[in-house]
Amino acid sequence: EAGVVQSPRYKIIEKKQPVAFWCNPISGHNTLYWYLQNLGQGPELLIRYENEEAVDDSQLPKDRFSAERLKGVDSTLKIQPAELGDSAVYLCASSSGGPHGELFFGEGSRLTVL
Amino acid sequence: AQKITQTQPGMFVQEKEAVTLDCTYDTSDQSYGLFWYKQPSSGEMIFLIYQGSYDEQNATEGRYSLNFQKARKSANLVISASQLGDSAMYFCAMRGTRGAQKLVFGQGTRLTINP
Repeated sequence: EAGVVQSPRYKIIEKKQPVAFWCNPISGHNTLYWYLQNLGQGPELLIRYENEEAVDDSQLPKDRFSAERLKGVDSTLKIQPAELGDSAVYLCASSSGGPHGELFFGEGSRLTVL
Repeated sequence: AQKITQTQPGMFVQEKEAVTLDCTYDTSDQSYGLFWYKQPSSGEMIFLIYQGSYDEQNATEGRYSLNFQKARKSANLVISASQLGDSAMYFCAMRGTRGAQKLVFGQGTRLTINP
């Protein structure tokens, strides 16, 4: 069974440029998450989807960040324009809401803003 | 709101020794779940073990066990017979009944296994 797939793995851009990250969750997982992980810290939730509906986006900086999950499968997270402080790893995870409801994570997309 | 605290930024252990990674939590929920994840240098978060707040026995998964002390609000991870491949970041996380599907993570502990 394929895991959570994210792309790109690495992205280097200059400030004020746009950037987008893509995530394909595990097949059949209805819940999809985007987490932000700063260097040396634990992940922090940006947005959570149940199917195609964003049910928790309270931590998403909506002035520059946007996300979508069309058709309730894969998802895209966009930043426009990027700032120096956006340099971090963006982790995507999915869950089937099983017995423990554990999250399965992708390898992340590491963003460097110059 | 849930909060997870991991007070050990780094741990150094000799290969084959046991190691305990500390985790304390704070929540007002009566029902909650506690998780441990491993993050190697590749970046992927790997699920290790789960403990439910109403589970009477401590969870075990192979070399991993969770020392759950509910009254002290602690959920320490114990790794027995450590291996070089155990070197990684370890994160404790919890989920309460409200916002049931959201995991809140601690700051992590970097574990280094020395040969």
